[in-house]
Amino acid sequence: DAGITQSPRHKVTETGTPVTLRCHQTENHRYMYWYRQDPGHGLRLIHYSYGVKDTDKGEVSDGYSVSRSKTEDFLLTLESATSSQTSVYFCAISETGADNEKLFFGSGTQLSVL
Amino acid sequence: SQQGEEDPQALSIQEGENATMNCSYKTSINNLQWYRQNSGRGLVHLILIRSNEREKHSGRLRVTLDTSKKSSSLLITASRAADTASYFCATTGAGSYQLTFGKGTKLSVIP
Repeated sequence: DAGITQSPRHKVTETGTPVTLRCHQTENHRYMYWYRQDPGHGLRLIHYSYGVKDTDKGEVSDGYSVSRSKTEDFLLTLESATSSQTSVYFCAISETGADNEKLFFGSGTQLSVL
Repeated sequence: SQQGEEDPQALSIQEGENATMNCSYKTSINNLQWYRQNSGRGLVHLILIRSNEREKHSGRLRVTLDTSKKSSSLLITASRAADTASYFCATTGAGSYQLTFGKGTKLSVIP
């Protein structure tokens, strides 16, 4: 999957606990994205990054924070997980963020919040 | 909010038949892309069509775009069992580089 590694691949956690998902890329692409995928909603953008320490909100950013301290790593944190955050989370990358550019996706993290 | 809406939600065909999926969107776009997602995997880019293009081909894939109707179609010819997957359209609009995805069409190709 285009040099993108998401970890963990599966996680079960309890409501109210903090959770951090990691995305690691080996492509040296500038842009990185976090999406969530839910039945009936397709993919929705949570946050994205356009460089080290440069991030911005997407469509469904409430309850999530992100950090990018290195080009290759983009972390997604749920400060206090809720059951509504049960989802499959995908990281994606693109080289320049241009609107005619394709995204490369990781294999996803299945998160269950009980 | 979703920009693209795929139709049908699910499609089942026999191997060798053609599969057609449609995508409708609400606001003007710069580009439209199609992605495939195999079960349990991430999305894979298939093809991009620009707003000033009407048709594009890539192997067994044919994509059309009708900006007057705000719709696109993806045709897969001579389908194979390996084409079984979900297919998503995604758009970028004026002034935004963010891709907005539809809910997808689940295609099943029966051997």
